[in-house]
Amino acid sequence: ETGVTQTPRHLVMGMTNKKSLKCEQHLGHNAMYWYKQSAKKPLELMFVYSLEERVENNSVPSRFSPECPNSSHLFLHLHTLQPEDSALYLCASSQDKRGTDTQYFGPGTRLTVL
Amino acid sequence: AQSVTQLDSQVPVFEEAPVELRCNYSSSVSVYLFWYVQYPNQGLQLLLKYLSGSTLVKGINGFEAEFNKSQTSFHLRKPSVHISDTAEYFCAVSDQGAAGNKLTFGGGTRVLVKP
Repeated sequence: ETGVTQTPRHLVMGMTNKKSLKCEQHLGHNAMYWYKQSAKKPLELMFVYSLEERVENNSVPSRFSPECPNSSHLFLHLHTLQPEDSALYLCASSQDKRGTDTQYFGPGTRLTVL
Repeated sequence: AQSVTQLDSQVPVFEEAPVELRCNYSSSVSVYLFWYVQYPNQGLQLLLKYLSGSTLVKGINGFEAEFNKSQTSFHLRKPSVHISDTAEYFCAVSDQGAAGNKLTFGGGTRVLVKP
């Protein structure tokens, strides 16, 4: 596989469930990102990881918990979500965390919270 | 803090006609500028970016954009569109001085190419 992959592609969960989103990049990059894409709002940056260290947490509620065990994998652990958390969650990676670096996006996980 | 405004939420256009997508940004610092495209059921893909130098930037699939610092704009153009250009287009900026590669996106412009 090449590029950035995300699993699952679709997820339906209840408000009391716990689930995890997975992202894997095959590009040899050092930085990884989680974004939220809602129907009525611009893409929002949630978290930035550089060399497995979280360098940005954009005021995201604690019911979203990221994990970056190595530079190729990024997880987003979900618990006690709200219906307004339903959105497309996009993962991205870049060579490094410089502002000039192009971010490469995965296809996203479509999350529905019932 | 930065913000990005894409003035048109939807742009219908006939095949082989030109298209221009408008993007204006607001920032107190120098920025880098990007255009991304999102095809249905896919993630975002970079079309082009402006980092420095010539203000006219050429990207993939025949797209180009012009950086205008005085008007804080970065409009995207294509002289002749194809059906396959139907997609959503996002303008984004990143702060040149920021420690992390933080992109701020506009709300997106949906382009519908009609035969």
